[in-house]
Amino acid sequence: GAGVSQSPSNKVTEKGKDVELRCDPISGHTALYWYRQSLGQGLEFLIYFQGNSAPDKSGLPSDRFSAERTGGSVSTLTIQRTQQEDSAVYLCASSRNRGDYEQYFGPGTRLTVT
Amino acid sequence: AQSVAQPEDQVNVAEGNPLTVKCTYSVSGNPYLFWYVQYPNRGLQFLLKYITGDNLVKGSYGFEAEFNKSQTSFHLKKPSALVSDSALYFCARFSGGYNKLIFGAGTRLAVHP
Repeated sequence: GAGVSQSPSNKVTEKGKDVELRCDPISGHTALYWYRQSLGQGLEFLIYFQGNSAPDKSGLPSDRFSAERTGGSVSTLTIQRTQQEDSAVYLCASSRNRGDYEQYFGPGTRLTVT
Repeated sequence: AQSVAQPEDQVNVAEGNPLTVKCTYSVSGNPYLFWYVQYPNRGLQFLLKYITGDNLVKGSYGFEAEFNKSQTSFHLKKPSALVSDSALYFCARFSGGYNKLIFGAGTRLAVHP
């Protein structure tokens, strides 16, 4: 079946602009995660959605970052007023439910802030 | 605090030789441990996990890992390396709330012909 998809695959933006990154999880997966992979920080958790519960936003690095998940499926990660340190690969993952230990990752969106 | 450590930035091994990629953890209680692999320009792929039960777990592509509670380790192993195994390998554990993965820094495996 189809895996996790993310768009765009690459995004170049100017410092100060807003960007939106999209994630389509595997159909039927209720849990959705965003991670960021950067040279300096490695792989770090950003935010987690589980069904209709309030998301766990504990990993978001600043209030410029926000995410939503509409209809329990597609998720959008928004970064406002981008900074150069936001340059990274943003990875989305999904799992069947909170108790399912295997997370399936998308190919990522490479964000470059110039 | 770093609760999953991968002490080697890079591991080099000749094709056909056994390989080991090291991982240690520092969490109390029973950890839920994972290995993921990342090929160039691709997302992470699940290899294997330890939740409970047998200390030796087998995963995809012929990989296995041994959970060692006394040494707080979860090293990834393969009896005979392939050039196609060359990739970036991440050890990870679940957080206390079982809702996010905490990753090690990653180890780049290079298998030479």
